Amino acid sequence: SQKIEQNSEALNIQEGKTATLTCNYTNYSPAYLQWYRQDPGRGPVFLLLIRENEKEKRKERLKVTFDTTLKQSLFHITASQPADSATYLCAHASGYSTLTFGKGTMLLVSP
Amino acid sequence: ETGVTQTPRHLVMGMTNKKSLKCEQHLGHNAMYWYKQSAKKPLELMFVYNFKEQTENNSVPSRFSPECPNSSHLFLHLHTLQPEDSALYLCASSQDKFGTYEQYFGPGTRLTVT
Repeated sequence: SQKIEQNSEALNIQEGKTATLTCNYTNYSPAYLQWYRQDPGRGPVFLLLIRENEKEKRKERLKVTFDTTLKQSLFHITASQPADSATYLCAHASGYSTLTFGKGTMLLVSP
Repeated sequence: ETGVTQTPRHLVMGMTNKKSLKCEQHLGHNAMYWYKQSAKKPLELMFVYNFKEQTENNSVPSRFSPECPNSSHLFLHLHTLQPEDSALYLCASSQDKFGTYEQYFGPGTRLTVT
């Protein structure tokens, strides 16, 4: 079965730097990858969706890439701010399935 | 606000109680979901409803009973729960149940079973 893996260790970076989070999958290439942000005690909030045939998606300071050769999606936040501190979830789906979420990676941006 | 509301936000119940969680979405979506989120664990999908029909039940114990009377409302009926059921219960909705559509989550109900 498909497994999706995110780095369980928190990522600590300084304000102004680019944060890069990784989502790896093990088997077949998912048709869709989605990224969410979750703050403590709250529901996840959708950020970006990228399709299998897309290499890159952008939204303001956010960028997602999808590399089917490496079986990996990278999520970048440029010019990071302390307000970007949160847990970021990667989720995948095939063409006819519901989403499966990874465990998430906590990002801490220090001033 | 995401357009998905959940009540109550916090719930403490004994193991012999019966309670219900309520979810309402104002987005005109056709799919609704219940998730369980325990500390340090990924989101666990419990139930999926698409056009009011239950399409997935991921081996959830029968002490959790979902109900979807229409496309806008979703309930989770709880009875005879165990302490390990204490978690954040999240409701979500999307245009359809497939991964091509993003999901909108409610704020969650923090459940504590004593």
